[in-house]
Amino acid sequence: KAGVTQTPRYLIKTRGQQVTLSCSPISGHRSVSWYQQTPGQGLQFLFEYFSETQRNKGNFPGRFSGRQFSNSRSEMNVSTLELGDSALYLCASSYSGGAEEQYFGPGTRLTVT
Amino acid sequence: SQQGEEDPQALSIQEGENATMNCSYKTSINNLQWYRQNSGRGLVHLILIRSNEREKHSGRLRVTLDTSKKSSSLLITASRAADTASYFCATLKNNQGGKLIFGQGTELSVKP
Repeated sequence: KAGVTQTPRYLIKTRGQQVTLSCSPISGHRSVSWYQQTPGQGLQFLFEYFSETQRNKGNFPGRFSGRQFSNSRSEMNVSTLELGDSALYLCASSYSGGAEEQYFGPGTRLTVT
Repeated sequence: SQQGEEDPQALSIQEGENATMNCSYKTSINNLQWYRQNSGRGLVHLILIRSNEREKHSGRLRVTLDTSKKSSSLLITASRAADTASYFCATLKNNQGGKLIFGQGTELSVKP
């Protein structure tokens, strides 16, 4: 079974721009979660989508948004980028997003200059 | 914000030695999971222990959970250089879907 894929793997953007990151979950998985990892704040939960609906949301400003498509693929968008948005963005998928392990993708490294 | 904390923050041992990492958390949980991350790459799931379990084994890994103390430990026995990585505990609360809350992690270095 193919693993979780994320595109692009690396991205450099300028302050004020917006960015869209993509995540393709493992086939059959319906839950996709997004996490931000920075040296200062560690791994922080952004949001979770299940069957095209946002089921959980972390404590991030409204500039961070996401969506999930009918094939379970998910995208997250960050508008009006700030320097502090530089991070590794990880997505994870699981069958139902309940009490089970999550499978992580390799991440997208976003650098904001 | 993190659910809990891990200690030590960094651990350096020789190959063949055992490595123990501890994790504390703040609220009641459904389960606690341990993940490994190599050099800023994706996380790899190691083991999941449910709130009604006290100990779990998987190969060279042993995890304990003490819900009264809100703490868990991960023991890696007979460590290898390939075990060098960052290790994170993550908790899942009831009725929170797939929302994992991670600790800050322990950076393990195993010297050959």
